[in-house]
Amino acid sequence: NFMLTQPHSVSESPGKTVSISCTRSSGSIASNYVLWYQQRPGSVPTTVIYENNQRPSGVPDRFSGSIDTSSNSASLTISGLQTEDEAHYYCKSYDSRSQVFGGGTKLTVL
Amino acid sequence: QVQLVQSGTEIKRPGASVKVSCQTSGYTFTSHGVTWVRQAPGQGLEWMGWISGYNGNTYYAQNFHGRITMTRDTSTRTAYMELRNLRSDDTAVYYCARQLNFGDPEYWGQGTLVTVSS
Repeated sequence: NFMLTQPHSVSESPGKTVSISCTRSSGSIASNYVLWYQQRPGSVPTTVIYENNQRPSGVPDRFSGSIDTSSNSASLTISGLQTEDEAHYYCKSYDSRSQVFGGGTKLTVL
Repeated sequence: QVQLVQSGTEIKRPGASVKVSCQTSGYTFTSHGVTWVRQAPGQGLEWMGWISGYNGNTYYAQNFHGRITMTRDTSTRTAYMELRNLRSDDTAVYYCARQLNFGDPEYWGQGTLVTVSS
């Protein structure tokens, strides 16, 4: 099995850009898609990125995803930060027999 | 529209079992799987396993092997997750979600709170 490691927390000001990393411990980050979820307190998670860089309908184009094979990591980038973006963000990937979530990152927009 | 409606809050003693149901509608049940995810209070998301709506094949997270069973009833379009030998650290909100295959986006149920306490 593998692990996905995220920073515990990040913070940035409204209007700025923030990136959240997700590093895969073993196996190539490119071997399986990465998804990203937003979860506000008391709410069900929602998908903001799937297939590494695809946005579901309704997700603003301020949200983007990418992978970097040199660091074996994925990133979620949110530009033009808004206070409503304050939430926990989780990455997830998988192998042939399991799916794995990262530990989650608390984004504070201050 | 797609809906996944889960059973209600459960309170269990340590050592007991819990079976959470997930009734689905609005899509072809046998064309998708159902994944189960849990979230302990103040903690992150933890994938528990996935069951095929088509043939009932299952994949379980290693953390739960031997304690978990996922089943489905195609006639009622309902998926079930049973967790046995409950411990206090199994206290969590348990989510079911429609998921075509690993790596596909999920459509989530509302969650079921399971509290394990003596």
